[in-house]
Amino acid sequence: EAGVAQSPRYKIIEKRQSVAFWCNPISGHATLYWYQQILGQGPKLLIQFQNNGVVDDSQLPKDRFSAERLKGVDSTLKIQPAKLEDSAVYLCASSLAGEFEQFFGPGTRLTVL
Amino acid sequence: SQKIEQNSEALNIQEGKTATLTCNYTNYSPAYLQWYRQDPGRGPVFLLLIRENEKEKRKERLKVTFDTTLKQSLFHITASQPADSATYLCALDTGRRALTFGSGTRLQVQP
Repeated sequence: EAGVAQSPRYKIIEKRQSVAFWCNPISGHATLYWYQQILGQGPKLLIQFQNNGVVDDSQLPKDRFSAERLKGVDSTLKIQPAKLEDSAVYLCASSLAGEFEQFFGPGTRLTVL
Repeated sequence: SQKIEQNSEALNIQEGKTATLTCNYTNYSPAYLQWYRQDPGRGPVFLLLIRENEKEKRKERLKVTFDTTLKQSLFHITASQPADSATYLCALDTGRRALTFGSGTRLQVQP
């Protein structure tokens, strides 16, 4: 079974630029999560989707971050414009509807200069 | 405010010994708690889930306890091996299957 796919794996941008990350969850997983993991910290939930609807985006900085999950499968997370403090690993995870176990992708490491 | 605390200092133990990691939380009433393993450059991997009405859960060399009175979970790895070296994260449910993670404890098992 293929795992959660993310791209790119690494991205370096200047502050105020825009960036987008892509996630393809495990086939059949209705729930998709985006997390931000700053070095030395645990993952912090940014947004949770159930199919293509948003369940929780309370910690998403909506002035600069946006996410969508068209057709309830792939998802993109965008930052526009980026700030220095956005430097982190962005993790995508998915789970079967109603299940507790989350399956994580390898993450995208973002460096903002 | 809600807080999850894990030992920020690395835990160094000798191969074959039992590693015990601690997760304390405040101002939460989680219905369940999960433990994940994270290796450098990789996403977390699920290990175990324990519910609020369970005192203990085991899986092979792993054991988790959950004390809702003390607001604490202990994670044990028996007969530890160098391959167990990683960062271990505890995570609490905050409703609708969303998780709040601790900052993790790095375990180093010396051969």
